[in-house]
Amino acid sequence: RKEVEQDPGPFNVPEGATVAFNCTYSNSASQSFFWYRQDCRKEPKLLMSVYSSGNEDGRFTAQLNRASQYISLLIRDSKLSDSATYLCAVYNQGGKLIFGQGTELSVKP
Amino acid sequence: DGGITQSPKYLFRKEGQNVTLSCEQNLNHDAMYWYRQDPGQGLRLIYYSQIVNDFQKGDIAEGYSVSREKKESFPLTVTSAQKNPTAFYLCASSPGLEQFFGPGTRLTVL
Repeated sequence: RKEVEQDPGPFNVPEGATVAFNCTYSNSASQSFFWYRQDCRKEPKLLMSVYSSGNEDGRFTAQLNRASQYISLLIRDSKLSDSATYLCAVYNQGGKLIFGQGTELSVKP
Repeated sequence: DGGITQSPKYLFRKEGQNVTLSCEQNLNHDAMYWYRQDPGQGLRLIYYSQIVNDFQKGDIAEGYSVSREKKESFPLTVTSAQKNPTAFYLCASSPGLEQFFGPGTRLTVL
């Protein structure tokens, strides 16, 4: 089992839709979780940090489910500009940040 | 203007050549990292450095080397021993837990 796993997608949604991505992790002791956004052929940009049960920033909500070992990212009222690949990242026991392979989102008019 | 810079943006290399990728940051971050990204895959850690003059191997260090002589700089050398070097190379720095990335160098071996 990979340390961090994401559904690769792509998720194709219409503008205005609500979409959610999940990211599962294998290390039950992990304490720090992150969502990054990566545009095509660009670097990842930090979207949200998740240190407790969840975090909300405008249309974006990240939630942590420790019992089932997953984090989720919810995007409400999707915009065309939300089209990107979303990477989750989790610190492992060795103190290294482990990235999932990313979930691709395409928002259509 | 604070940030992380990487150069060059694109690099072409012939087989058998060593190349060095530059990474500089003026954010006063102690920790710096090098990752590699292949199409459709997540980032894989090559090397990291928590303080000046110290660095550790990541998960895929074979065929790569680094130095950390200054806090601001963490260059990565891709040696001829790296079997499949064509990839997108990303440098990151961190003040603690959150990591911030430079714009990346796209290396192609001809």
